[in-house]
Amino acid sequence: EIVLTQSPATLSLSPGERATLSCRASQSVSSQLAWYQQKPGQAPRLLISDASNRATGIPARFSGSGSGTDFTLTISSLEPEDFAVYYCQQRRESLTFGPGTKVDIK
Amino acid sequence: QVQLQESGPGLVRPSETLSLTCTVSGGSITNYYWSWIRQTPGKGLEWIGYIYYSGFTDYHPSLKSRVTISRDMSKNQVSLNLRSVSAADTAVYYCARSGFWTINWFDPWGQGIPVTVSS
Repeated sequence: EIVLTQSPATLSLSPGERATLSCRASQSVSSQLAWYQQKPGQAPRLLISDASNRATGIPARFSGSGSGTDFTLTISSLEPEDFAVYYCQQRRESLTFGPGTKVDIK
Repeated sequence: QVQLQESGPGLVRPSETLSLTCTVSGGSITNYYWSWIRQTPGKGLEWIGYIYYSGFTDYHPSLKSRVTISRDMSKNQVSLNLRSVSAADTAVYYCARSGFWTINWFDPWGQGIPVTVSS
């Protein structure tokens, strides 16, 4: 099973700051990686597919990069509604999720 | 805009079968893959399995012996049966659309339904 590791576990930032979240795979997943955002009491929402493609309706401040085993989700300037938990997920081999990174308000 | 709604009992007795239904509105289940995913504080998000509208299924290896996913084209519904449940199966269960003609990402998701396994 491909294991995804996310770091940091928690990221404490202020609105307007840049957030950089990391996802590392235990073996190459090529570009078959997605990012989701989850707010309390809600289902996850697809943000980024195929490592770098923003999903429909996702603001341009969200961007994804990487391939192989190392991936990054960047939020260029945090808005109040961006404080949430972010998960990565791969579909290269079966379907697995990372443990998540919580972005909270500093 | 397609919407998904999970339904079913919120409490299931140990050793019994957990049965949930996902009703799809605003679009057909035809030509798409549909997944069940669960979330617990301890294990996080876990893909349970998926079904293609044709009836083809695939399941997480650790759950394969206990899971059946089916679909009802006439009702536009996808169902999950998880047999011989234990407290470890307590979770929020989500259904999600997961690809057009090929397995892909989870989008959109239902709101989720919390299920507790307890006597």
